[in-house]
Amino acid sequence: GENVEQHPSTLSVQEGDSAVIKCTYSDSASNYFPWYKQELGKRPQLIIDIRSNVGEKKDQRIAVTLNKTAKHFSLHITETQPEDSAVYFCAASFSGGYNKLIFGAGTRLAVHP
Amino acid sequence: GAVVSQHPSWVICKSGTSVKIECRSLDFQATTMFWYRQFPKQSLMLMATSNEGSKATYEQGVEKDKFLINHASLTLSTLTVTSAHPEDSSFYICSARATESSGANVLTFGAGSRLTVL
Repeated sequence: GENVEQHPSTLSVQEGDSAVIKCTYSDSASNYFPWYKQELGKRPQLIIDIRSNVGEKKDQRIAVTLNKTAKHFSLHITETQPEDSAVYFCAASFSGGYNKLIFGAGTRLAVHP
Repeated sequence: GAVVSQHPSWVICKSGTSVKIECRSLDFQATTMFWYRQFPKQSLMLMATSNEGSKATYEQGVEKDKFLINHASLTLSTLTVTSAHPEDSSFYICSARATESSGANVLTFGAGSRLTVL
């Protein structure tokens, strides 16, 4: 079935450390993998995405890697800052009509000063 | 960038009443919109795909007669929670796919509507 698994569910790091969140997906035909950041009571905001034709993408302190063979993708945040604290969701597109996005369970990241 | 407006942002209603939530794409046309539901401290669960000019496609386990979706124009989709009950209390978020200048399709979310059924 359509499934996205995300780990860990919570992550606590010290300011300046790196944070890594991992996701796996079930549909080998999935071709779009966005990451969203959601602060308490607010809408999810897209922070980075990757498509299946590339293996890695970087935007300043944020990077995403994709392993299509393993159906696995990861978010890497370097030099974490307290304002990075939020819930992060990975998602994968599922084929069949409208390329709907199915989300992972989320990772609550806490960055301690 | 693309903006999705959702209204109301919060609503409180009595059990048994119906509530309508609107989702508008403000500066782009969206033939497809998606409705998600999010319980506290949980993920976004896709409820249905809203298609302009045709019937919505519901995910397994979502009651189509309970959650009525209407996508009457290229910029507006509505979700009506009929005969609401306390267990329907949740955060409902719509999203629409916009095409960026790069040609990439990106899903943009509305601000969400927090429904509380008494």
